[in-house]
Amino acid sequence: QKEVEQDPGPLSVPEGAIVSLNCTYSNSAFQYFMWYRQYSRKGPELLMYTYSSGNKEDGRFTAQVDKSSKYISLFIRDSQPSDSATYLCAMSDSGGYQKVTFGTGTKLQVIP
Amino acid sequence: NAGVMQNPRHLVRRRGQEARLRCSPVKGHSHVYWYRQLPEEGLKFMVYLQKENIIDESGMPKERFSAEFPKEGPSILRIQQVVRGDSAAYFCASSTADGTDTQYFGPGTRLTVL
Repeated sequence: QKEVEQDPGPLSVPEGAIVSLNCTYSNSAFQYFMWYRQYSRKGPELLMYTYSSGNKEDGRFTAQVDKSSKYISLFIRDSQPSDSATYLCAMSDSGGYQKVTFGTGTKLQVIP
Repeated sequence: NAGVMQNPRHLVRRRGQEARLRCSPVKGHSHVYWYRQLPEEGLKFMVYLQKENIIDESGMPKERFSAEFPKEGPSILRIQQVVRGDSAAYFCASSTADGTDTQYFGPGTRLTVL
């Protein structure tokens, strides 16, 4: 069983829809949770960074962490064609440096 | 205001040859991380380096792979005697500090082994 599970998709939604992306994990030591966006043939770009449980909002993006269920989510409101990319969840424990464990990524396509 | 730079962007090697991948971190960053991304798989941590030191190489294959981050110049990931299974995208990331700072990723080097 992988430490981090993420549905690979692809997920196709119409422009303006609310998108929900999710990951589950098995390692209860994870404390830091991240979402990265990766456009085709590009490097990952950090979107959201949260510590422990709770919600964090940044513009159209909201990240949720439920440590009791070992479940994290990323919501994208008013989705745009430019949001079409692969979204990677990532997490790490509270060690002295961040050796990040990534999910496999969910490919999202927002259709105009 | 350059970000992380990697070169070459694409590298083709025949089985048995050596591959050298270079990473120049963001100016002022002293921590470098290498990741490998295989098709349909997530990014996998390989190695974490500071200037002139390997801090954690627990994700590196024991043979054929090595990494360095010299006092001057870019970080180098070296793969000797490449095999087809080494074909992947290799990403470098850098950060300013140990552990708590965000890692910024480069565009990656796509290695193809024929």
